[in-house]
Amino acid sequence: GESVGLHLPTLSVQEGDNSIINCAYSNSASDYFIWYKQESGKGPQFIIDIRSNMDKRQGQRVTVLLNKTVKHLSLQIAATQPGDSAVYFCAESYTGGFKTIFGAGTRLFVKA
Amino acid sequence: DGGITQSPKYLFRKEGQNVTLSCEQNLNHDAMYWYRQDPGQGLRLIYYSQIVNDFQKGDIAEGYSVSREKKESFPLTVTSAQKNPTAFYLCASSTSPSGYGYTFGSGTRLTVV
Repeated sequence: GESVGLHLPTLSVQEGDNSIINCAYSNSASDYFIWYKQESGKGPQFIIDIRSNMDKRQGQRVTVLLNKTVKHLSLQIAATQPGDSAVYFCAESYTGGFKTIFGAGTRLFVKA
Repeated sequence: DGGITQSPKYLFRKEGQNVTLSCEQNLNHDAMYWYRQDPGQGLRLIYYSQIVNDFQKGDIAEGYSVSREKKESFPLTVTSAQKNPTAFYLCASSTSPSGYGYTFGSGTRLTVV
C-alpha cells in the first residue's frame, strides 16, 4: 500500500553542523512532496516543497532533494540552530488525489 | 491575519462522553481535514471535506463524526464509540485536496479521565 516512511527516528547534531533528514516513499504516482516542522504541542508548519519535475529545491538554510529512481526524499538544514529542534515530517500527494500521506517523523535534537 | 483556529487547546473527556473539537478557518479554503497524532506515529486521517455539506471518511473514522455546514467550520465529535480517544488532534485546510497549500491548526490534546 501507499506509505511514506523515514530511515531515522531521531537525529542529534551539534549546533552549526548541517543536518540531513531522509524519507522514503512508495507511491510512484506521487508528484508533490512536502516537508513540515512540528514543535512540541504545536501544529506542523510548512518548510519547503518540491514537485516531481524537479530534483532539488532550495530555501532559506534548507534544501530538499528528490530522487525518483529510488523514491527517496531528503531535507538538508544548513548551520543547524537550537531553534531547529523539532520533529520533521515528509509528506506526499499526487495530482487528482484527495489526501496527503505523512511519514512518522524524525526528531531532530540540536546540541549547543 | 488569516489562519486556522482550533479550540480548546486541552480537553478532558470522561468515559462514555461525546466531546466536540472546534476548527475554524478564514483562509477561504475549500478542503478541510482532521488528523489524529499519537506519540511516535505519523498523522492519520480521520475525516476530510472537499466542499461544504460534503465529507468523506479517512483511514480511522470509526468512533468519530463531523459536519461541514459552513465553509469556515469543520467540527469533529469524538463519540463514546471511540475506545482509545486520548491523542493530539490536528485540523488542516488547503486550497486543493491534493495537499497543496496545507495549513494546520495548533491542535487539541484530548485526554480521557
